[in-house]
Amino acid sequence: AQSVTQPDIHITVSEGASLELRCNYSYGATPYLFWYVQSPGQGLQLLLKYFSGDTLVQGIKGFEAEFKRSQSSFNLRKPSVHWSDAAEYFCAVGAGNNNDMRFGAGTRLTVKP
Amino acid sequence: DTEVTQTPKHLVMGMTNKKSLKCEQHMGHRAMYWYKQKAKKPPELMFVYSYEKLSINESVPSRFSPECPNSSLLNLHLHALQPEDSALYLCASSGGRGDSYEQYFGPGTRLTVT
Repeated sequence: AQSVTQPDIHITVSEGASLELRCNYSYGATPYLFWYVQSPGQGLQLLLKYFSGDTLVQGIKGFEAEFKRSQSSFNLRKPSVHWSDAAEYFCAVGAGNNNDMRFGAGTRLTVKP
Repeated sequence: DTEVTQTPKHLVMGMTNKKSLKCEQHMGHRAMYWYKQKAKKPPELMFVYSYEKLSINESVPSRFSPECPNSSLLNLHLHALQPEDSALYLCASSGGRGDSYEQYFGPGTRLTVT
């Protein structure tokens, strides 16, 4: 079965600074990879996805992620963080037709003024 | 339109009550999901319906009973819940036209069991 590891439980960055959130996955075949964001008490919003093709994918809100098969990673990046980016970020991996999607433990992002 | 709606937004119920959570999507998606999310934890998959048939049941206690009346609706019937069942219950859908495998989530129902 597939699994996801997000090594960082909590990250604090200053507003305007760059951001990288780490995600490592485990899956025998080519995975479907996702990043979701969740604000407190809210549902999850899809930031971006990777299925195949170009390993650098662009998402909403200025986020991008790079799939690196050799490192089993799918790290999320943003060049300049805004205070509104403070939230919980989840990396997820799907298998097959993606009916079975598993989430990482999440990384909580705090943005300092 | 990528909206999944869930009702109610909040629910407080006693351990002897029977209540239902409702989820609706009009994106033509063929798979719908229930997740349970405890505070500061990731969502945990409970049930998956694919083409209106239950395809995954993650060993969820029988006090949770899912139902998929049609391709747009998903219900979760609750009975004799325990306080530890208090959580955010999220509905999602996926699998529209083409190869759309991403899941779209509703805002959730905050359930408190007293």
